Amino acid sequence: KQEVTQIPAALSVPEGENLVLNCSFTDSAIYNLQWFRQDPGKGLTSLLLIQSSQREQTSGRLNASLDKSSGRSTLYIAASQPGDSATYLCAVSSSGSARQLTFGSGTQLTVLP
Amino acid sequence: NAGVTQTPKFQVLKTGQSMTLQCAQDMNHEYMSWYRQDPGMGLRLIHYSVGAGITDQGEVPNGYNVSRSTTEDFPLRLLSAAPSQTSVYFCASRDRFDTEAFFGQGTRLTVV
Repeated sequence: KQEVTQIPAALSVPEGENLVLNCSFTDSAIYNLQWFRQDPGKGLTSLLLIQSSQREQTSGRLNASLDKSSGRSTLYIAASQPGDSATYLCAVSSSGSARQLTFGSGTQLTVLP
Repeated sequence: NAGVTQTPKFQVLKTGQSMTLQCAQDMNHEYMSWYRQDPGMGLRLIHYSVGAGITDQGEVPNGYNVSRSTTEDFPLRLLSAAPSQTSVYFCASRDRFDTEAFFGQGTRLTVV
């Protein structure tokens, strides 16, 4: 059974810092990994999708990397802003979970002005 | 382009009542799924569908039913609501198992 872990559970940084969020998964037989953002009381917004054959994806100030063999992904946020404050979730689609998404519990990010 | 639409946004039920949470998508996606989100437990899969007429159970299916008569709609039925079903419910859709997933805005359900 696929398990996804996100550490730390919460992170607080001053505005302008570069930061890294971590995601690990137990079964490396994944099809892809997706990073989401969730604001309080809202739904999930897709940030980046990395296919299993890819090493990284970039969108603006966000860069996600994937090391399938070691079961790890990182989300790098450059020059953080207070508007980046949210919960960040990673999810993997894998054969061991009937091709459905398995989620981590998320990292709650606070960027202080 | 509406994406994934869930209704209602909020609902309060009494124990034992039944109700249906609605989910509709306008992207012609084959894959649809229902999750519940509880504090400290992340999102857990309830039921999913890989096409019209095809559904299967996820991690936490007890107390819920689904059907998929059209590509667009994937309703979730609570048969007899229990306080343990108090949660936020999310519907998601994808074109295929290896494509980007899109989520609705969620339904916040309270069972008293």
